[in-house]
Amino acid sequence: DQQVKQNSPSLSVQEGRISILNCDYTNSMFDYFLWYKKYPAEGPTFLISISSIKDKNEDGRFTVFLNKSAKHLSLHIVPSQPGDSAVYFCAASEVGGSARQLTFGSGTQLTVLP
Amino acid sequence: DAGITQSPRHKVTETGTPVTLRCHQTENHRYMYWYRQDPGHGLRLIHYSYGVKDTDKGEVSDGYSVSRSKTEDFLLTLESATSSQTSVYFCAISERKAGGSNNEQFFGPGTRLTVL
Repeated sequence: DQQVKQNSPSLSVQEGRISILNCDYTNSMFDYFLWYKKYPAEGPTFLISISSIKDKNEDGRFTVFLNKSAKHLSLHIVPSQPGDSAVYFCAASEVGGSARQLTFGSGTQLTVLP
Repeated sequence: DAGITQSPRHKVTETGTPVTLRCHQTENHRYMYWYRQDPGHGLRLIHYSYGVKDTDKGEVSDGYSVSRSKTEDFLLTLESATSSQTSVYFCAISERKAGGSNNEQFFGPGTRLTVL
């Protein structure tokens, strides 16, 4: 059973508009959440993260929101640019353990249309 | 970019043959990980290492073994490759921040493995 779910395999957005990518989780022990971006034939690159003690974290055009009661997080990209077209993975890690294993969602393909 | 390389970048092999993938880092990070990426599954952890000669299993470890004899190298071995192991394999590294807080993982470019 997937502990991290991205229910939208794909999303298309017009350039300049907002992109909202969603992620749901089931494990209450997750305390740290990350978003990665992946271009074809490259490894995932870290984008932004949030600790469970916060409900929002911003970095330039990217903002991550965390709703712990709903076990839901979202990534907002404003304004969206064609270069943002990529697969976005959300990931979560659990309290405890030294290696901080990450559990990934299945990804959402974002396409930003010029 | 974090100094992580993977070799080979592409490999085609036949069922039943042994295969070893190499991950090399120049960051001196303590933790190293092997993932596989398959459509509909995202990235799934195969094995990880928390130091030289210290390794542990991940979510999908069956059919895989690993070794870490030096800080900079983490090897993934398929003892007898099967078609179900056709995938893209990613290595990642991380380091614990001062104070023991959470840390991000940085990924290599990937190895595309095809088992015929």
